[in-house]
Amino acid sequence: QLVLTQSPSASASLGASVKLTCTLSSGYSSYAIAWHQQQPDKGPRYLMKVNRDGSHTKGDGIPDRFSGSSSGAERSLIISSVQSEDEADYYCQTWGTGGVFGGGTKLTVL
Amino acid sequence: EEQLLESGGALVQPGGSLRLSCAASGFTFSDSAMSWVRQAPGKGLEWVSTFSGSAGGTYYSDSVKGRFTISRDNSKNTLFLQMNSLRVDDTAVYYCARDKPMTTLIDCWGQGTLVTVSS
Repeated sequence: QLVLTQSPSASASLGASVKLTCTLSSGYSSYAIAWHQQQPDKGPRYLMKVNRDGSHTKGDGIPDRFSGSSSGAERSLIISSVQSEDEADYYCQTWGTGGVFGGGTKLTVL
Repeated sequence: EEQLLESGGALVQPGGSLRLSCAASGFTFSDSAMSWVRQAPGKGLEWVSTFSGSAGGTYYSDSVKGRFTISRDNSKNTLFLQMNSLRVDDTAVYYCARDKPMTTLIDCWGQGTLVTVSS
C-alpha cells in the first residue's frame, strides 16, 4: 500500500533554510510527488512536482527560494531564506490506486 | 488565468444529500483529469474522488465509495460531486482540483466550499 510519510512539524528561523521531507513507502520509490502549501485559513496552493531524479517543475509565481530534491524514496521541499509568509502546512501528494496525501508538516517560522 | 470555483456547500442533516459544483475556466477542461479533495476541521487533506480526462474513468476513496458520485459536463466546463447518505464525518471543506497534464498530480486548486453534516 502506497503511503506518504511526513514529519508533523518543523521550524526555521527567519532567513534560514529548511528542508521538508516526504517518504514514499517501500516499493514506490520511483514515484513523483507534488508539494502543496496551505497558509492559515486559506486553501491549498500547488508548489511543485518533484521527480525521482530530483528534477522539479514549479507552479506559476512560486518564488525562487522554493526548490525540490530527491534521494531514494525521499522527496524534499527546500525553502531557502525562509520568510514569515512561509509559515504554513505543507502536504505531499501522489497517486497509487487513488489519490494519496501525506499527513502534512506544519512549518513554524521563528 | 486558470480558475476553479466551487459552490453548493451547505448545512445538511445526517442521511441527507447534497450536490457540489465546480466551474472551471482558463484551460481546456475536457482534456483535464479533475478531483475532489476534502479537509475536515483541523485535519489534513483527504482525496475523495477523481474523474479522468479523455479516458473517462472514475475513482473513489473507500470512505465515500457507493455514496458519492463524481460527474462532469464538458460542454459547461463543470465538475460535480453528488453526495448521498451523508454522515457527520463527511463534514469538511471540499476542494475541486485539476491534475497537471500527463500526470496524476494536482496542480490547481479551488477555494473550497464547506459542507456541514449535523442534526
